[in-house]
Amino acid sequence: DAKTTQPPSMDCAEGRAANLPCNHSTISGNEYVYWYRQIHSQGPQYIIHGLKNNETNEMASLIITEDRKSSTLILPHATLRDTAVYYCIVRVFNNAGNMLTFGGGTRLMVKP
Amino acid sequence: NAGVMQNPRHLVRRRGQEARLRCSPMKGHSHVYWYRQLPEEGLKFMVYLQKENIIDESGMPKERFSAEFPKEGPSILRIQQVVRGDSAAYFCASSPGRAPDTQYFGPGTRLTVL
Repeated sequence: DAKTTQPPSMDCAEGRAANLPCNHSTISGNEYVYWYRQIHSQGPQYIIHGLKNNETNEMASLIITEDRKSSTLILPHATLRDTAVYYCIVRVFNNAGNMLTFGGGTRLMVKP
Repeated sequence: NAGVMQNPRHLVRRRGQEARLRCSPMKGHSHVYWYRQLPEEGLKFMVYLQKENIIDESGMPKERFSAEFPKEGPSILRIQQVVRGDSAAYFCASSPGRAPDTQYFGPGTRLTVL
């Protein structure tokens, strides 16, 4: 699976959009981009995933560049409860197993 | 629609005792993954199971740890003769087993070894 690079930490003002970048320059054509977050010590929470197209759901938007070498997770109106560690993970679907490899992630601090 | 359930949420054991952690996957999911998060560290994959089969246990310590996912009932992660270094949060995730095979995590079991 392709390696990802994320900034270790970011701040965001409450109510503003939080834009979390992720570089995955070695991504291959059949690898998905996944985003999870972990709030304090809770179980990781699935946010969104994409393959080639931009995606949006009730939690966030995922923007993937045309060359797929990077992506941005957008939380449109960050709240204090969005303070968490956000993980960008790239992996292929494999019938033999699809374990997730968690890196350091980005620690997002939403401030009032 | 219940999510992934894990119990107990907190487990305290003395050194040398056994710990049993249970995971019930989401409805319709037949694949289970176990991950461990040591204090102040990231999550690390341990084992991947399908019903009655261990598919990949490459991340699980060779000794004292075992996992199963029987035909009926929850998946069990078993740690024999626990040591203080086993103190961690253990998370279970389930997935449907078809592309893109998104995993959904449970709340975790926090194991403390005294």
